[in-house]
Amino acid sequence: KQEVTQIPAALSVPEGENLVLNCSFTDSAIYNLQWFRQDPGKGLTSLLLIQSSQREQTSGRLNASLDKSSGRSTLYIAASQPGDSATYLCAGHFTGGGNKLTFGTGTQLKVEL
Amino acid sequence: DGGITQSPKYLFRKEGQNVTLSCEQNLNHDAMYWYRQDPGQGLRLIYYSQIVNDFQKGDIAEGYSVSREKKESFPLTVTSAQKNPTAFYLCASSYQAGGRFEQYFGPGTRLTVT
Repeated sequence: KQEVTQIPAALSVPEGENLVLNCSFTDSAIYNLQWFRQDPGKGLTSLLLIQSSQREQTSGRLNASLDKSSGRSTLYIAASQPGDSATYLCAGHFTGGGNKLTFGTGTQLKVEL
Repeated sequence: DGGITQSPKYLFRKEGQNVTLSCEQNLNHDAMYWYRQDPGQGLRLIYYSQIVNDFQKGDIAEGYSVSREKKESFPLTVTSAQKNPTAFYLCASSYQAGGRFEQYFGPGTRLTVT
């Protein structure tokens, strides 16, 4: 059974700090890895998607990497701002898993002034 | 604007009543999904549909029912058989092309049953 884990469950950093969020998965037969952001009481917003043939994707201050051999993905946020405070979830689409995503439980990020 | 709409945003029902949550998408996606989210837990898949007139149970389908009569619509009915229906419900759709599988989400419906 594919599992996706995100540690830590919560993280608090001062404004301006660069930070890394971690996502690990048990099945190396990963098709895509998608990172989402969720604000309280809202739906999920897609941030970045990395295909298995790619090593990383960038969007603005965000950079996501994928290492299939180690079963890890990271989301790097540069120069964090209070507006980055949210829960960040990663989800894997695995070969043989059908058209479904397996989600981690998320990391709740708080960026403090 | 293309996207997924869920209505209503907040829904209140008495115990023992069935309630239907709406989900509509204009992204022309074939696949649609319903998830449930509870505090401190991740997203749990209730039902999904890969094509019109077809759907499959997810991990927690008991007490729920769905239909997929149109590509754009995937309503979820929470029946009185669902023991703990109070939760945040999220609808999603996905497309797959050129080695890319991407999922999009609606804004969610918060259901409270008392």
